[in-house]
Amino acid sequence: GQQVMQIPQYQHVQEGEDFTTYCNSSTTLSNIQWYKQRPGGHPVFLIQLVKSGEVKKQKRLTFQFGEAKKNSSLHITATQTTDVGTYFCAGPGNSGGSNYKLTFGKGTLLTVNP
Amino acid sequence: DAGVIQSPRHEVTEMGQEVTLRCKPISGHNSLFWYRQTMMRGLELLIYFNNNVPIDDSGMPEDRFSAKMPNASFSTLKIQPSEPRDSAVYFCASSFWRQINQPQHFGDGTRLSIL
Repeated sequence: GQQVMQIPQYQHVQEGEDFTTYCNSSTTLSNIQWYKQRPGGHPVFLIQLVKSGEVKKQKRLTFQFGEAKKNSSLHITATQTTDVGTYFCAGPGNSGGSNYKLTFGKGTLLTVNP
Repeated sequence: DAGVIQSPRHEVTEMGQEVTLRCKPISGHNSLFWYRQTMMRGLELLIYFNNNVPIDDSGMPEDRFSAKMPNASFSTLKIQPSEPRDSAVYFCASSFWRQINQPQHFGDGTRLSIL
């Protein structure tokens, strides 16, 4: 079945440093979504990328979708303590009924030292 | 607008007991998902419904787990009998599916501990 791999599993940074997490799929994705989960919280949708090579920005967060639509990245510029949490990427199922569902990566846990 | 509502928020019970988790999706959403989250296995999809119909329950660990969606505004996940290895956070999420995946909205989760 489809697999979505994320690296790194953990990342600890000093406040003000940049952070990047990478997501790779074993199959071509029609779209990819990113979620953030704060410690003790629930996953919250951040963004969806659909087009090959797409780049979207949300303030200090930059999201990219690869040209082959099999990989994606999230880059945070000048991290802040409010960025702490686990960042997940998620891709849809392959076909038919599984198109309804998302396969989540294992996530990257970001901690920020103030 | 109210988000996805799950109850209870926390559940502690002894092994062998029946556990029922409840979910009210966002009004108007036509897809509902049950996930289980643990440190070891991450976020696992257990089952999902579209228009109240179970589409894929291949993620349900075993026959002790069952889920129902009797109407568009309510779903339950039941574990009977419960075992310590079922301890996890269980999330319900809903979305409106149309041709392409739409964002999933998660509830606050039920933190389940089986002693």
